[in-house]
Amino acid sequence: QVQLQESGPGLVKPSETLSLTCTLSRGSMRSYYWSWIRQPPGKGLEWIGHIYYSGGTNYNPSLKSRVTISVDTSKNQFSLKVTSVTAADTAVYYCARGPTSGSHGYFDYWGQGALVTVSS
Amino acid sequence: DTQMTQSPSSLSASVGDRVTITCRASQSISPYLNWYQQKSGKAPKLLIYGASSLQSGVPSRFSGSGSGTDFTLTISSLQPEDFATYYCQQSYSTPYTFGQGTILEI
Repeated sequence: QVQLQESGPGLVKPSETLSLTCTLSRGSMRSYYWSWIRQPPGKGLEWIGHIYYSGGTNYNPSLKSRVTISVDTSKNQFSLKVTSVTAADTAVYYCARGPTSGSHGYFDYWGQGALVTVSS
Repeated sequence: DTQMTQSPSSLSASVGDRVTITCRASQSISPYLNWYQQKSGKAPKLLIYGASSLQSGVPSRFSGSGSGTDFTLTISSLQPEDFATYYCQQSYSTPYTFGQGTILEI
């Protein structure tokens, strides 16, 4: 059973960089895409971007200028950085496996989520 | 971007009821439509993928249908554990987008 766990600071100051890491246990990163998805408090879900295990990325254009996703398969981890954050970036950040079955797939395993608050 | 619109936004129902939630895409996305269930404080859980395929371990009372731009999620007989928020999501093209959610209440 694939398990994912987000980790990182829960509080980030405005204009600084948000950094999160997702660690995979009980599974392999090989041959899969790995995504970050966020959910502002009380709101819906927004796909941030994904990375293939070999390193290729695809980002949501709404965030593309501020987002970097990277992968370290030796540690079974992938990471998210969002620069120049504002209060609008306050959200629960989920890591997820997918899209599976190619780029038209779905997100079948999710981390429990990490709340990141942007505030001074 | 492909816009996803769910209806209704909220729904009150009782245990044993048959419930249908609708999702409409701003362009044809067949068959790349997925459904998720989210309970309060928890991560979303995949229910249906490819419009109508049931994810492993999901009860058979959940079903999905539709094509083109219009899709539905049906729960044949509501159970107490089904009260949650449901989201549709298109995986036809990036950026992948979600519906705004349907809150299913007792």
